[in-house]
Amino acid sequence: IQMTQSPSSVSASVGDRVTISCRASQGLDGSLAWYQQKPGQAPRLLIYHVSTLQSGVPSRFSGAGSGTDFTLTISGVQPEDCAIYYCQQANSFLALSFGGGTKVDLK
Amino acid sequence: QVQLVQSESEVKKPGSSVKVSCKASGGGTFTHYVFTWLRQAPGQGLEWLGGIIPIFETSDYSQKFQGRITITADESTTTAYMELSSLKFDDTAIYYCARARSGTTVVGGLDFWGQGTLVTVSS
Repeated sequence: IQMTQSPSSVSASVGDRVTISCRASQGLDGSLAWYQQKPGQAPRLLIYHVSTLQSGVPSRFSGAGSGTDFTLTISGVQPEDCAIYYCQQANSFLALSFGGGTKVDLK
Repeated sequence: QVQLVQSESEVKKPGSSVKVSCKASGGGTFTHYVFTWLRQAPGQGLEWLGGIIPIFETSDYSQKFQGRITITADESTTTAYMELSSLKFDDTAIYYCARARSGTTVVGGLDFWGQGTLVTVSS
């Protein structure tokens, strides 16, 4: 399954609402996750099962969608949210694939 | 707290092999979790290589790496391994191990990650 993210980059002001899209090449059964990766760090799980917030993740992050179209929204971007965001699907209990990533930075 | 500690950086010649280790410690029974291997080439995104679920002695690999990747797990040392052979220049990347949040399936994401191992392929 191919995952396509858009946009590839977005510039926002502090407090803006940012939405990142992820489209799957075929319908998913809810096995969609989002990660945040900062420079020099391993990715961090933000959201799983489309919309469930991982423990410790700020509530300004939210996920939505179904079928082939999914979104990650940051409601009120903060400076610490500057990072690359990846969506990820799982098509079996072992196999997965990622979107190409969306870079979020501040204006 | 769960920790995944990977082996140190490696420099390899084209055509050789590399074996990266990932030692797990902390919460959960080692054999009851999927351990996944991914890589990230310089300035690029995340690429899935394969994974293993030790309790079922089952592994799965990306078609792209079939034939030159082997993922194993040692229950006695709670360590997962990824070996990649016939290395090429474009295998230069940071290699990560990660553990499935939901245990025996990666549906539900990867919640614990190793620190990454830089593998450089250079002549």
